[in-house]
Amino acid sequence: KQEVTQIPAALSVPEGENLVLNCSFTDSAIYNLQWFRQDPGKGLTSLLLIQSSQREQTSGRLNASLDKSSGRSTLYIAASQPGDSATYLCAVRPGNQFYFGTGTSLTVIP
Amino acid sequence: DTAVSQTPKYLVTQMGNDKSIKCEQNLGHDTMYWYKQDSKKFLKIMFSYNNKELIINETVPNRFSPKSPDKAHLNLHINSLELGDSAVYFCASSYGATGGEQFFGPGTRLTVL
Repeated sequence: KQEVTQIPAALSVPEGENLVLNCSFTDSAIYNLQWFRQDPGKGLTSLLLIQSSQREQTSGRLNASLDKSSGRSTLYIAASQPGDSATYLCAVRPGNQFYFGTGTSLTVIP
Repeated sequence: DTAVSQTPKYLVTQMGNDKSIKCEQNLGHDTMYWYKQDSKKFLKIMFSYNNKELIINETVPNRFSPKSPDKAHLNLHINSLELGDSAVYFCASSYGATGGEQFFGPGTRLTVL
């Protein structure tokens, strides 16, 4: 069964810093991997979707990479801002369903 | 122009009651999901429907029954509510059962007293 782990569980950085969030998964047979953010008391907002044939995707200050063979993905956030404070979740899709990681809670200090 | 909507947003009820949560998507997707997010914020899938057919049915008590009247709607009915059912329930949708980007609704916070 697919297991998804996110490290660190919590991260606090000063504004302006570049940072990397990690996601690892146990079974490399996936169709895609998706990164989300969740603000307190809110739903999940899709950030980036990487198909299994892709190595990375970029959207604004966000860049996500995928290394299927090693079961890893990273989410790089450039020039962090207080508005980036949220919980970041990754989810992998080996078939019909998604398996979610435990999330990284990010706080960007002004 | 809400993409995935759920009603109600909050639901407070007594143990033993029966309740329903409704979900609608206007994205033209053919696959819809129900997830449960527990107090530790872990998201676990409960059900998935593709073109109104059930394709995922995780280990969920049979007190939970999903119903998909059409591709744009997936409702969740819960019988004989228990304290442990308290959680946030999220509806989501995607195009295709394997490759599409998934979009989430705002969630329904269920509190069972």
